[in-house]
Amino acid sequence: DVKVTQSSRYLVKRTGEKVFLECVQDMDHENMFWYRQDPGLGLRLIYFSYDVKMKEKGDIPEGYSVSREKKERFSLILESASTNQTSMYLCASSLITRIGENTIYFGEGSWLTVV
Amino acid sequence: GQSLEQPSEVTAVEGAIVQINCTYQTSGFYGLSWYQQHDGGAPTFLSYNALDGLEETGRFSSFLSRSDSYGYLLLQELQMKDSASYFCAVRGRRDQNFVFGPGTRLSVLP
Repeated sequence: DVKVTQSSRYLVKRTGEKVFLECVQDMDHENMFWYRQDPGLGLRLIYFSYDVKMKEKGDIPEGYSVSREKKERFSLILESASTNQTSMYLCASSLITRIGENTIYFGEGSWLTVV
Repeated sequence: GQSLEQPSEVTAVEGAIVQINCTYQTSGFYGLSWYQQHDGGAPTFLSYNALDGLEETGRFSSFLSRSDSYGYLLLQELQMKDSASYFCAVRGRRDQNFVFGPGTRLSVLP
């Protein structure tokens, strides 16, 4: 069965802390994504990666960085957490996109509160 | 870039049929997908249309018209458990990316 696992479900961090959100997938997918979800704003892409050590900025990369050292693992890093980064963070993965393959699989989400 | 529009809320009663519309603007198009998300949960895949027409999966159907840049999700025989948010999504210009609509919150009333 398809599985995307996010390491932390709920976190509370202080302003200025460095925060790591970890994500692991067991489907051997090439693509991995980090989204942020806020009420009324839907899902917004932060970063994605289509291969190990490769990354591309999404729509809202400011204040975030990512790391993909192994195919199955994609980490989101908040270098210095701020209160406006309080949100739900969703990791996802998918196969290399081609005609007929359009499914993205999500983890359960990580609720981050920055105080 | 890409943008998608959906109604923000839809309300219907158990047993009814409801249609959730999605219009999109995208420079490249590789299909329209639909996802369901219950409160506190992760989005899960429902259906996908690459070509014009209707795709049926049980009580759910999805329709696409590429010439109109329009699609819809049709939910039949509504059940209380169908109360959730529904997102349409397209593959984005950079080929590997998915862009999601703002979501439609469906409330099913008894």
